Amino acid sequence: EVQLVESGGGLVQPGGSLRLSCAASGFTFSSYWMHWVRQAPGKGLVWVSRITDTGSSTSNADSVEGRFTISRDNAKNTLYLQMNSLRVEDTAMYYCGRGTATTIDYWGQGTLVTVSS
Amino acid sequence: QSALTQPRSVTGSPGQSVTISCTGTSSDVGGYNYVSWYQQHPGKAPKLMIYDVSKRPSGVPDRFSGSKSGNTASLTISGLQTEDEADYYCWSYRSSYILVFGGGTKLTVL
Repeated sequence: EVQLVESGGGLVQPGGSLRLSCAASGFTFSSYWMHWVRQAPGKGLVWVSRITDTGSSTSNADSVEGRFTISRDNAKNTLYLQMNSLRVEDTAMYYCGRGTATTIDYWGQGTLVTVSS
Repeated sequence: QSALTQPRSVTGSPGQSVTISCTGTSSDVGGYNYVSWYQQHPGKAPKLMIYDVSKRPSGVPDRFSGSKSGNTASLTISGLQTEDEADYYCWSYRSSYILVFGGGTKLTVL
């Protein structure tokens, strides 16, 4: 069974940093592209970042470019999102997703990030 | 990156059909056959319903179908059931490995 479990969310002050993790199991992690998607409270889904299966290439949404870094450790079956210079508007549920360059076929349950003073 | 345009809400009755539209540009929806649709129930993670415009993952009922014409993609749900009431999001590949979601559509089954 495919499982994606996010962790690392919490309360952080504006300007602070946080690292999210997504532990994968039930499939060959190193064969899939991975994505981060976020959803502010009561709002829609927003794509944040993606990484290729080998980790050799990444892409980010404009809103997080230069502040967030996606990475992966295929030996540990884990995806990461390093979030720096956090803003109030980064407050959201953050989901990791397994997929390809163009779709997500499985989603985790999310981890909540709250940026507030 | 601007979102794709979806209607805020649609309503249907059990047994009826509804169609949700998703309008983009020639740089995303119109330029590639990489449109996906996701269903999200309140408090739950999204679920893939359609990918590559019209393909259905295993386990998704054939009541759900997708199509595209020009810069607009559509999700049609036939034989509406009460459990179909949820939010639906389209997303599309945009050039340079950027992806973009629609704003979401709330489906109400009365």
